[in-house]
Amino acid sequence: TQLLEQSPQFLSIQEGENLTVYCNSSSVFSSLQWYRQEPGEGPVLLVTVVTGGEVKKLKRLTFQFGDARKDSSLHITAAQPGDTGLYLCAGARGSTLGRLYFGRGTQLTVWP
Amino acid sequence: DVKVTQSSRYLVKRTGEKVFLECVQDMDHENMFWYRQDPGLGLRLIYFSYDVKMKEKGDIPEGYSVSREKKERFSLILESASTNQTSMYLCASRDAGTGGQPQHFGDGTRLSIL
Repeated sequence: TQLLEQSPQFLSIQEGENLTVYCNSSSVFSSLQWYRQEPGEGPVLLVTVVTGGEVKKLKRLTFQFGDARKDSSLHITAAQPGDTGLYLCAGARGSTLGRLYFGRGTQLTVWP
Repeated sequence: DVKVTQSSRYLVKRTGEKVFLECVQDMDHENMFWYRQDPGLGLRLIYFSYDVKMKEKGDIPEGYSVSREKKERFSLILESASTNQTSMYLCASRDAGTGGQPQHFGDGTRLSIL
């Protein structure tokens, strides 16, 4: 059973379009992270959100943590081909052992 | 810059062989992790370690074991490789603490079991 449900699984859009990726759970997380993975490489951290309702911006990417700390979203404005990759959300539950619970990922393809 | 190095990018082994995947990190991190990644299934945690000689089972430990004799090195062992263990294996490390520290990943080992 997946603790974090991520949607959509695939997204194929034209350059310049906007998109949103969702990460939902019935469980509460102490923090939520978003990673991006490119072919042949490991995932790389984009952002960590820790406070309910928190919004963080990274250039054209906006990340939001739900008020109840059970869900998160990633919004990309004016997508570019360089945004292509696998986006993964991952939640932590406060343990010092550092275990993360990953969603299944969203494969984003942005066409020129 | 944190570096997590996995010993092989590609590996081909035969059914029944004992397979060792090695991972080394250079940042003195307490926590280390082994995942497998399969299309549509995301990252699934096999084992993790929070200190030398300490280990915890993840979600899919069956058929695998681990070893952490030194802080910087975390090995994944396939006791008797089977074809359903063909996958991408990712190692990660992380500093201890509850403040949302990131996991730092290696570039993965693509393992094929024939």
